[in-house]
Amino acid sequence: DIVMTQTPLSLSVTPGQPASISCKSSQSLLHSDGKTYLYWYLQKPGQSPQLLIYEVSSRFSGVPDRFSGSGSGTDFTLKISRVEAEDVGVYYCMQGIHLPLTFGQGTRLEIK
Amino acid sequence: QVQLVQSGAEVKKPGASVKVSCKVSGYTLTELSMHWVRQAPGKGLEWMGGFDPEDGETIYAQKFQGRVTMTEDTSTDTAYMELSSLRSEDTAVYYCATATQQWLDYWGQGTLVTVSS
Repeated sequence: DIVMTQTPLSLSVTPGQPASISCKSSQSLLHSDGKTYLYWYLQKPGQSPQLLIYEVSSRFSGVPDRFSGSGSGTDFTLKISRVEAEDVGVYYCMQGIHLPLTFGQGTRLEIK
Repeated sequence: QVQLVQSGAEVKKPGASVKVSCKVSGYTLTELSMHWVRQAPGKGLEWMGGFDPEDGETIYAQKFQGRVTMTEDTSTDTAYMELSSLRSEDTAVYYCATATQQWLDYWGQGTLVTVSS
């Protein structure tokens, strides 16, 4: 199984400041079809996870443009350009190149 | 847009089985791949299994093989996940999630299953 490792595991950010989360996979997520199957999810308190970013850098429907994803191969980053109060929750990366789908441990974002 | 509505919370005794349902609207079940993910209290997300469109069959995580069965009723657009031989470690919120255009792009509200004697 592919192991996903996130850092940091927790983050405290002042509103309006940027935030960054790293995710590393134990194998390359680049598929032979040319796509890289790395996803980012946010689970807000008391809610189900929601898809933010798919295939490394594409924002899902309705996701604000302050969220951006980058990376390639085995190293990926989620960036929030200016954190807002509503961004609080746990962020997960996930690989979708091979079943079983596997998630990182999660990064908890709180507001200072 | 897909909407997924799951069945209500369950309390089960160790050794029993539980069957969670997930009703789809906005799409038909045949148009998407259904997956199940669970989350133990205070823990992360764990994929249990789902439909692999490349192979055309349902794949289960090795951890759950022999104990989990995922089925679908296309006449009602309802998916089911049944987990047997329950133990306390199976206490968790169980989510259904679809893969329409992307992996796990829409999620149900979750079903809390509590296993306690």
